[in-house]
Amino acid sequence: EDQVTQSPEALRLQEGESSSLNCSYTVSGLRGLFWYRQDPGKGPEFLFTLYSAGEEKEKERLKATLTKKESFLHITAPKPEDSATYLCAVQDPNTGNQFYFGTGTSLTVIP
Amino acid sequence: NAGVTQTPKFRVLKTGQSMTLLCAQDMNHEYMYWYRQDPGMGLRLIHYSVGEGTTAKGEVPDGYNVSRLKKQNFLLGLESAAPSQTSVYFCASSYRQKLFFGSGTQLSVL
Repeated sequence: EDQVTQSPEALRLQEGESSSLNCSYTVSGLRGLFWYRQDPGKGPEFLFTLYSAGEEKEKERLKATLTKKESFLHITAPKPEDSATYLCAVQDPNTGNQFYFGTGTSLTVIP
Repeated sequence: NAGVTQTPKFRVLKTGQSMTLLCAQDMNHEYMYWYRQDPGMGLRLIHYSVGEGTTAKGEVPDGYNVSRLKKQNFLLGLESAAPSQTSVYFCASSYRQKLFFGSGTQLSVL
């Protein structure tokens, strides 16, 4: 059973057109939910950690929120440089030693 | 600011050949990981290590072996490569739940 499911698979936005990416998770006893950004040909880069429902984190045009079963990455007035694949991950609730990743949302922002 | 360094960046193997991927980190992190990334499958954990001299299996360990003889290095070995092991391999280290990734190794097995 997938621990993390992301949607949509791909998203194309016009520059300045705000939208949200979704990450739903099935683990119980969440130890942490993480967002990463991955550019083509590079490794993922850490963005945010969220721990409890209601928590929010912001960085420039990105804001991550968390509920009991899903997280959203809101992108406000995106720019072409925000184009990347955004990955969501959760930490293994039992050992804390492993991280389970979703398949990502590929975001393209058109000038 | 080297962070996590992976070598090589690209490699082509024939079925049955063996190879070792090297990961080095200069951040003194205890935890290190090897992931593979395939289209539509996301990042899947192969093996990980919680400290020097330790290793543990992840989600997809079959066909791979690892060693962590020094804290800064984590080696991933393929004893007899198969076409199903064609993938992009990422090494990562972690500190306070944050993963720091290398730039990846593109491996093709023909």
